[in-house]
Amino acid sequence: AQSVTQLGSHVSVSEGALVLLRCNYSSSVPPYLFWYVQYPNQGLQLLLKYTSAATLVKGINDFEAEFKKSETSFHLTKPSAHMSDAAEYFCAVSSNQAGTALIFGKGTTLSVSS
Amino acid sequence: DADVTQTPRNRITKTGKRIMLECSQTKGHDRMYWYRQDPGLGLQLIYYSFDVKDINKGEISDGYSVSRQAQAKFSLSLESAIPNQTALYFCATSDPGTGTTGELFFGEGSRLTVL
Repeated sequence: AQSVTQLGSHVSVSEGALVLLRCNYSSSVPPYLFWYVQYPNQGLQLLLKYTSAATLVKGINDFEAEFKKSETSFHLTKPSAHMSDAAEYFCAVSSNQAGTALIFGKGTTLSVSS
Repeated sequence: DADVTQTPRNRITKTGKRIMLECSQTKGHDRMYWYRQDPGLGLQLIYYSFDVKDINKGEISDGYSVSRQAQAKFSLSLESAIPNQTALYFCATSDPGTGTTGELFFGEGSRLTVL
């Protein structure tokens, strides 16, 4: 079985500060890992994904995440927060095994203050 | 028009009523999913279908059923709605041709309130 744990349901940063959202995964097979973002009153959209190629993955809007197998982590970072980054962020896991669907974490709400 | 369309977008119903949420897609994807979102619980997988003849239970299928009427249509039913099924429901699709099962394309959600 696969699962993800997002550490911290709420994260608050100031505009221009580093954003760090934490995600740890559990998987008995090589995982595929994803970060999705949900803006208010919208569906989810893909930020970035790791599918066993480069361990440092770059996504949209200057977000990036690093896959660390030894730490079973896939933390999301952005060097400088912008007000428009305020949203809910979800980490998710699947695999290349046939019949695997995507399993989501509980989400982290990011607030950005001026 | 949206690639993944959910109807209705909002619905208020009473305990014991039968409710159907419908999802249609124009992306040509084989794989379709229903998720439920509750505050603080993230998204939980209810059912998923990898093709018209394939239906699979997800994490929280009890109290729900689905029908895959065609490649483009996947409906979710609550046979006898109860208040703890009040939630935001999302339909999503994916294309196995991308080589991964991960990138999902979401509808805008259906907000269901059961009184």
